[in-house]
Amino acid sequence: GENVEQHPSTLSVQEGDSAVIKCTYSDSASNYFPWYKQELGKRPQLIIDIRSNVGEKKDQRIAVTLNKTAKHFSLHITETQPEDSAVYFCAASTGNNDMRFGAGTRLTVKP
Amino acid sequence: DTAVSQTPKYLVTQMGNDKSIKCEQNLGHDTMYWYKQDSKKFLKIMFSYNNKELIINETVPNRFSPKSPDKAHLNLHINSLELGDSAVYFCASSRQWGNTGELFFGEGSRLTVL
Repeated sequence: GENVEQHPSTLSVQEGDSAVIKCTYSDSASNYFPWYKQELGKRPQLIIDIRSNVGEKKDQRIAVTLNKTAKHFSLHITETQPEDSAVYFCAASTGNNDMRFGAGTRLTVKP
Repeated sequence: DTAVSQTPKYLVTQMGNDKSIKCEQNLGHDTMYWYKQDSKKFLKIMFSYNNKELIINETVPNRFSPKSPDKAHLNLHINSLELGDSAVYFCASSRQWGNTGELFFGEGSRLTVL
């Protein structure tokens, strides 16, 4: 089955700096790669996603890149703000609704 | 109007007891899931149902039995609770099978087994 690895497990940045989180996946059949943000005590919520026919996608301060050959994808957050502090999860799915998540990255943005 | 709702939100019980968590979605989605999030925040898929039919059953002890009376509801019953069952259980739904898209999560049910 699919195995998703995520790094780093914790990330601390200064407000205004950029943050990058990286994930790798094992199943070459995976074609959908979402990123979820989970604030303390809340549910995970989708912040951005990318499909395998696209190499990069951007939405304001967040962007995701996908390298299908290397089987890795990354989340980039620019101009970080304290409210970006949360746990971020990457995930991968083959299209059979078998979404597998990475272990999560706890991002702390220091004011 | 809550899209995916779970009850109860908190559940504290003794080892050996049986408990249930209920989930309902009003999004008209075909597919529903149960995920377990342990103390290290790892989100692990347990079950996936499409239109009331069990599709994915991960390596979960058979003390866990999901039930889907209709496509808008997916309940989770747990028998003979163990300490290691303590976790947050998230219900989720997505639009349709075979076209993976956004998962909509419920608020989670925090189960504590004493």
